[in-house]
Order: sequence, then structure tokens, then C-alpha cells
Amino acid sequence: DAKTTQPTSMDCAEGRAANLPCNHSTISGNEYVYWYRQIHSQGPQYIIHGLKNNETNEMASLIITEDRKSSTLILPHATLRDTAVYYCIALLYNQGGKLIFGQGTELSVKP
Amino acid sequence: ETGVTQSPTHLIKTRGQQVTLRCSSQSGHNTVSWYQQALGQGPQFIFQYYREEENGRGNFPPRFSGLQFPNYSSELNVNALELDDSALYLCASSINRNTGELFFGEGSRLTVL
Repeated sequence: DAKTTQPTSMDCAEGRAANLPCNHSTISGNEYVYWYRQIHSQGPQYIIHGLKNNETNEMASLIITEDRKSSTLILPHATLRDTAVYYCIALLYNQGGKLIFGQGTELSVKP
Repeated sequence: ETGVTQSPTHLIKTRGQQVTLRCSSQSGHNTVSWYQQALGQGPQFIFQYYREEENGRGNFPPRFSGLQFPNYSSELNVNALELDDSALYLCASSINRNTGELFFGEGSRLTVL
């Protein structure tokens, strides 16, 4: 599985968009990009995933560059409850639940 | 709420003892994965079970073993506990073995003294 690189921490003002970057320059053509988050003392929560196209759901948007070497998770209107560690994971389709979590980005949403 | 429940939520054991952690999957999910999360680290994949058989294992020794039952609930067993086994143990269920969309429980926090 491709290694992903994320900033250690980020701050965001409440109500503003939070843009979390992820580099995955060695990603292969059949690896998906998954995003999870983990609020303190809870289990990780699935957010979104994509392969090539940009994706949007009720939680977030995922923008993947054309060369697929990087992506950005966008939380359009961050709230204090979005304060969490966000993990970007590259995953082969047939690897299923064998997620490889890195250190993630600790996002602090401030009032 | 993910529909995945784990028990116990907290427990304390001493070195050398054995522990069993339990997980009840979300309804309709036939795959369960277990993760270990040490303090300040991301979760690490232990193993996955699909239809009662092990379907992949991470870099963990054989004293970490598991079971999945016909109702798709699951157990994680750890023998000969070591101090470094102190961690949060997370169970996650999924609708099939190929998807990366996992539903995690809140975890069982194990402390080994």
C-alpha cells in the first residue's frame, strides 16, 4: 500500500472551511484514497473515499488531483465537533479492512 | 452510533495473564477486523475474519488470536500478556471483506500491569 503524508496539525476557525491535505505520490492505479477521523476516546469514523473523481457526501468533499499524487479533504463549514485526528489512507480494493493508519492530522477547530 | 459494540470497555490485567475481548458486529455485516491502538499512535491492523475464517493478519505474534461466530460476532484473545499490550483494542465490521468502509466500535482499553 502507498505511504501517505499529512501535516501533523492544523487549526481552523469555526464556520470556515477546513482543507486537509494528503500526499500519496507512490499511489498505484488501483488504490483508493480513504479518509477517517477519530474524535478523542472514540473509534475511528469513516468519512469518504475515492479513486479518481472528486467525491462529496453529507460529511465532506474529497478532491483528488489529476495525477492522483495528492488529495484534499474539505469540511465546508467546520464546527467544534469536527476537532479530531484525520487519517488519509491508500487502500487496494481487495485489501478490504486492512487499513494502514499513519499519524494523521490533528485538526483543532477554534471558536 | 455505528451498531458495533465492544466489551468490556476497560479492564486491567497483570503480565502473563490471558484476556478475551468481545465484539458484536453491525447487522448484515459478515466481516470483522481488529486493531490495536497504543497511546498517541494510529490504529494498527491485527487481523480480519470473514465468514468465520481468518482473512489476513498484520504483524502480530501468534499469541494474538481470534474467532468469528456464525452470527458474525467476534472475539480477540491475547495470551501471555506483556506490558506493551496495553492499548485500546478496536473492532470494526464491514458489509464485505473488500470494502474499506469500516464501522468501528468504541474500543476496549486494556491495561497490563
